[in-house]
Amino acid sequence: SQTIHQWPATLVQPVGSPLSLECTVEGTSNPNLYWYRQAAGRGLQLLFYSVGIGQISSEVPQNLSASRPQDRQFILSSKKLLLSDSGFYLCAGGRTYEQYFGPGTRLTVT
Amino acid sequence: KQEVTQIPAALSVPEGENLVLNCSFTDSAIYNLQWFRQDPGKGLTSLLLIQSSQREQTSGRLNASLDKSSGRSTLYIAASQPGDSATYLCAVSMDSNYQLIWGAGTKLIIKP
Repeated sequence: SQTIHQWPATLVQPVGSPLSLECTVEGTSNPNLYWYRQAAGRGLQLLFYSVGIGQISSEVPQNLSASRPQDRQFILSSKKLLLSDSGFYLCAGGRTYEQYFGPGTRLTVT
Repeated sequence: KQEVTQIPAALSVPEGENLVLNCSFTDSAIYNLQWFRQDPGKGLTSLLLIQSSQREQTSGRLNASLDKSSGRSTLYIAASQPGDSATYLCAVSMDSNYQLIWGAGTKLIIKP
């Protein structure tokens, strides 16, 4: 079965600082990978998805970017964080319609 | 544009009761529908996936049904237990690119 590793679990960063969240996949090759953000009491908002190395699609304009330097590695980044970037970030991956999720990162921008 | 709605947003029931969670979608041309469980501050766990050609799927005490024509799915939980307390989300896939469209979830509390 697939396992999604995601770290850190929590992160507190000041406004204007950079961000790097990493996600790695274990147990499968060539997965589709996804970054979601979840606001309190809301559904998941798809931020980025990738169908292969170097292939990134963005769903919404934002202060964030994503990269996929290796088949099973997906990175979410920002050069300068905004207060509005606070939230719960989830990485997911899968070969088909079933998506496996990481434990999430709680980001607080102060 | 597909929209997924889950009602109620929160539900509290005594232990042992059978219960139904609802999910509705506006565009019936879905590929499949999934139910997920999310514990507080955690990632999501897939519970059941129903293909568009299927009417229901069962796993243990969980049964999910799908009525594409009416744009509805239900998740039935039998003999509820405190450990079932979590937020339940449904999501639909519209085509073969594997992207999911999500409902906001129903927060379920099972009282001992």
